[in-house]
Amino acid sequence: NAGVTQTPKFQVLKTGQSMTLQCAQDMNHEYMSWYRQDPGMGLRLIHYSVGAGITDQGEVPNGYNVSRSTTEDFPLRLLSAAPSQTSVYFCASSWAGEQYFGPGTRLTVT
Amino acid sequence: ELKVEQNPLFLSMQEGKNYTIYCNYSTTSDRLYWYRQDPGKSLESLFVLLSNGAVKQEGRLMASLDTKARLSTLHITAAVHDLSATYFCAVDNAGGTSYGKLTFGQGTILTVHP
Repeated sequence: NAGVTQTPKFQVLKTGQSMTLQCAQDMNHEYMSWYRQDPGMGLRLIHYSVGAGITDQGEVPNGYNVSRSTTEDFPLRLLSAAPSQTSVYFCASSWAGEQYFGPGTRLTVT
Repeated sequence: ELKVEQNPLFLSMQEGKNYTIYCNYSTTSDRLYWYRQDPGKSLESLFVLLSNGAVKQEGRLMASLDTKARLSTLHITAAVHDLSATYFCAVDNAGGTSYGKLTFGQGTILTVHP
């Protein structure tokens, strides 16, 4: 039982490049979320999903896309990276009010 | 719009002393969470508080919830160096069903000195 896994751990992108942050969970949780963490701030919700095929926007969705084709996977896509997207990204899954966070992806956009 | 505010944002303590971190939130909440984060690491769940008057304790940490005042506290007793970390509170106000949509406070950076 691996819990919530994220890849890659670190990534450097140039402005305008695209990439996908991967998130997977093996606990069969319906609810999954993406957060970003910036210095001096708590985590902010980007997108979330309440089940396969169902996603919705969080507090800071601009510049990010998500889809949820399976219960296990919830990838986050940056279509055209900007320096403002430099951050640490956490994926989480949820069941019965408990949140399970992944180890994070540290993204730098130059 | 739900707002969650913590204070203090920075806390420097001596070992052996007691202190409290406060978490205020602006709208009705169903659940309140406390997390610990070490530098470069993910979030570690400390407490989940579900109802008014809830109190939970683990080691030197005790959390309480007052839903009428929209206030949660994290009390540290006889601090030790190992408690140095950043502490976050977070609120889930999804209206009875938790979808994992949390609103976080800014975090309190706790440093415990000998």
